[in-house]
Amino acid sequence: KNEVEQSPQNLTAQEGEFITINCSYSVGISALHWLQQHPGGGIVSLFMLSSGKKKHGRLIATINIQEKHSSLHITASHPRDSAVYICAVAYSGGGADGLTFGKGTHLIIQP
Amino acid sequence: NAGVTQTPKFQVLKTGQSMTLQCAQDMNHEYMSWYRQDPGMGLRLIHYSVGAGITDQGEVPNGYNVSRSTTEDFPLRLLSAAPSQTSVYFCAIRYRGDNEQFFGPGTRLTVL
Repeated sequence: KNEVEQSPQNLTAQEGEFITINCSYSVGISALHWLQQHPGGGIVSLFMLSSGKKKHGRLIATINIQEKHSSLHITASHPRDSAVYICAVAYSGGGADGLTFGKGTHLIIQP
Repeated sequence: NAGVTQTPKFQVLKTGQSMTLQCAQDMNHEYMSWYRQDPGMGLRLIHYSVGAGITDQGEVPNGYNVSRSTTEDFPLRLLSAAPSQTSVYFCAIRYRGDNEQFFGPGTRLTVL
């Protein structure tokens, strides 16, 4: 079974700290997604990338296709960044639909 | 979550009862999917559809039925609910040829 592994599972940090969440996967992909889910909330897409790097505000996502690894960075973290961050991949040559998800990283930013 | 609606938001069932979770979209996206989210397991694909009249099974299809009679709607049916189906259910859509997915707000289902 194709796996998506995220680390860490839980992360608590102080406001202002630089945050890194990692994601690794096992086989070739057509795209990788970073998603955000606040407690009791819906799922919001932060980034979709297949190569390189994307930036949106204080969030940066990178992907290394050769190493099958992606990172999500949060600069100048804020308590409102507290959420579960989920990595998901669409595998190359896979079915017509369906993502494979990591189990998520539960991030808490303390003031 | 714009363009994807799910009803109801919350539901409590007794074992053996049946119900339908509704998912509707107004973005004219061909692909629609149902996922369930359980603690410690991440989201898992239940069923998906690539267009009206076409459906297929995902990773965890047992106990669920789907149909896709229109582009807009993709209902998920539980014929005889079991406690193992207690979960949060998300509907997602995407446009053919584009990997970006849009998620509905979710339905929290409890089966007693």
